[in-house]
Amino acid sequence: AQTVTQSQPEMSVQEAETVTLSCTYDTSENNYYLFWYKQPPSRQMILVIRQEAYKQQNATENRFSVNFQKAAKSFSLKISDSQLGDTAMYFCAFMKLFNYQLIWGAGTKLIIKP
Amino acid sequence: NAGVTQTPKFQVLKTGQSMTLQCAQDMNHNSMYWYRQDPGMGLRLIYYSASEGTTDKGEVPNGYNVSRLNKREFSLRLESAAPSQTSVYFCASSEGLNEKLFFGSGTQLSVL
Repeated sequence: AQTVTQSQPEMSVQEAETVTLSCTYDTSENNYYLFWYKQPPSRQMILVIRQEAYKQQNATENRFSVNFQKAAKSFSLKISDSQLGDTAMYFCAFMKLFNYQLIWGAGTKLIIKP
Repeated sequence: NAGVTQTPKFQVLKTGQSMTLQCAQDMNHNSMYWYRQDPGMGLRLIYYSASEGTTDKGEVPNGYNVSRLNKREFSLRLESAAPSQTSVYFCASSEGLNEKLFFGSGTQLSVL
């Protein structure tokens, strides 16, 4: 069975700093998808970034980028020039190819301090 | 656009009571999902509907039933609520397989 581990329960950084959130996963699959979702205090889950395992290029979305290391089964999220609005829970998730179920990590609480 | 709309936002039940959580999406998505979120844990899939007319069990289906009423609506029913079902429930939708999910704002359910 697939598992997703986020080893940092909570992190805090100063506004404008860069922060990296860690995620590791365990799978025997070769092709799959990885996601980072953000859950702000409003509770609504919002997609930050999506990575296809068969693509070697790391996905980026504005200030958000990932470091995808397939052999190490690592999928970290880097937030550059952090903003107060980035304060949220961040969840890493895994999905097998041709499957509907997302497997979620326990989340990292990120606090951006002014 | 409203996206994914869930009702109610909050609900308190007594053990043994029943209720239905409603979910509707206006994005013409094929697939819909119900997740629960417990403290200190990631989301867990309860049921999903890959397309209109189909439903399948997820990771934690016991104690729940679902209905895909039409392409827009997907409801979750608790027939006899138990304290272990106290959780935040999220409905989500996607265009289809392996596509990104769009979430509703959640329902905080407490079972006393």
